[in-house]
Amino acid sequence: SQELEQSPQSLIVQEGKNLTINCTSSKTLYGLYWYKQKYGEGLIFLMMLQKGGEEKSHEKITAKLDEKKQQSSLHITASQPSHAGIYLCGADRHSQIAGGGTSYGKLTFGQGTILTVHP
Amino acid sequence: NAGVTQTPKFRILKIGQSMTLQCAQDMNHNYMYWYRQDPGMGLKLIYYSVGAGITDKGEVPNGYNVSRSTTEDFPLRLELAAPSQTSVYFCASSYGRTPQETQYFGPGTRLLVL
Repeated sequence: SQELEQSPQSLIVQEGKNLTINCTSSKTLYGLYWYKQKYGEGLIFLMMLQKGGEEKSHEKITAKLDEKKQQSSLHITASQPSHAGIYLCGADRHSQIAGGGTSYGKLTFGQGTILTVHP
Repeated sequence: NAGVTQTPKFRILKIGQSMTLQCAQDMNHNYMYWYRQDPGMGLKLIYYSVGAGITDKGEVPNGYNVSRSTTEDFPLRLELAAPSQTSVYFCASSYGRTPQETQYFGPGTRLLVL
């Protein structure tokens, strides 16, 4: 099955600092999703990447899928306490379906990165 | 729209008891999913459904059952609760019209089995 490894597992930064979270896959990624989760709450969709080299930004968060489509990075510029939470990457399992077909959107998730931002 | 709603928010069960976790969405989504989240382990797919009357197993289906009698509702049933089922359960949904689509998640149900 597709494995997703996130690094680091946890990150503590001072407000205003930049940071990067990585998501590495053991297989080619077909649809890479970034979600944010606050403790005790559900997952909030941030961005989805599909094409190698694709880069998307939303406010101060930028995500990129590398050319070989096996790694994605999430970069936060000038972090704020509101950025604190758990960041999860999820990958579509389309590549796992023998003979083609659809994965029906089933996602495999990384273990998450806990981000703490000190004011 | 309320989006994806889940009830209850928190529940304590004794070993061997049964319960149903409720999930509903008002976005007319075809696809619905149940995940569980264990500490430091990310989310794992339990069951999913691509439409009313159609369900299939995910990665960790043992000990659970689902049904999908309507487009809106996708309840998850635990028949004989075990401590290993202590977890946070998330329901999600998507339109299912294209191969890669955003999944919208509910707020989760925290379950403790003692």
